Amino acid sequence: GAVVSQHPSRVICKSGTSVKIECRSLDFQATTMFWYRQFPKQSLMLMATSNEGSKATYEQGVEKDKFLINHASLTLSTLTVTSAHPEDSSFYICSANGGGALETQYFGPGTRLLVL
Amino acid sequence: GQQVMQIPQYQHVQEGEDFTTYCNSSTTLSNIQWYKQRPGGHPVFLIQLVKSGEVKKQKRLTFQFGEAKKNSSLHITATQTTDVGTYFCAGPLTSNDYKLSFGAGTTVTVRA
Repeated sequence: GAVVSQHPSRVICKSGTSVKIECRSLDFQATTMFWYRQFPKQSLMLMATSNEGSKATYEQGVEKDKFLINHASLTLSTLTVTSAHPEDSSFYICSANGGGALETQYFGPGTRLLVL
Repeated sequence: GQQVMQIPQYQHVQEGEDFTTYCNSSTTLSNIQWYKQRPGGHPVFLIQLVKSGEVKKQKRLTFQFGEAKKNSSLHITATQTTDVGTYFCAGPLTSNDYKLSFGAGTTVTVRA
């Protein structure tokens, strides 16, 4: 149980375009989903927290107008990287839990974004 | 918010040997979680520790939560090539927060 999928797994796009990444909880309802960013050989950096039906909460230094998050249902959250630039190239990972402070986070397989 | 520190950053281990990675927080943690990320993969949940002084074992992996709930360790015995990867500890950003702060990770390589 507790499977999280992410799509696409890899994406290459041109500078200036927008890219949408989907995160789905397949066998449970995720009241909260998290979006992380990971650069090579570095740790996971939390970008934002999304709760179903409400606005996402962004971490300090993360531009909410650049990284649009929509948590439309209890099983789906999307991250849209708008007007992507080469410095946005990274590994984007979502995670989900069922809510509550002690809930484990289940991670999706991640999306590797390369902006040319 | 609190941050979680993890050492060492890299661990090169001879196959069959033991090693330990350590995690420290400046504040008391309500719980601590450990994750493993294989090269090219995503973090996979290993375990969660909640109680002061708690010790949990998963085969050759032993996880410990300090008495003050400010530190934790992961000890692996008889390291195998399947243990290769990066091990992250993570703790809640604040005492009542479900957002996690991840340590820098310990990247383990194994010499056969």
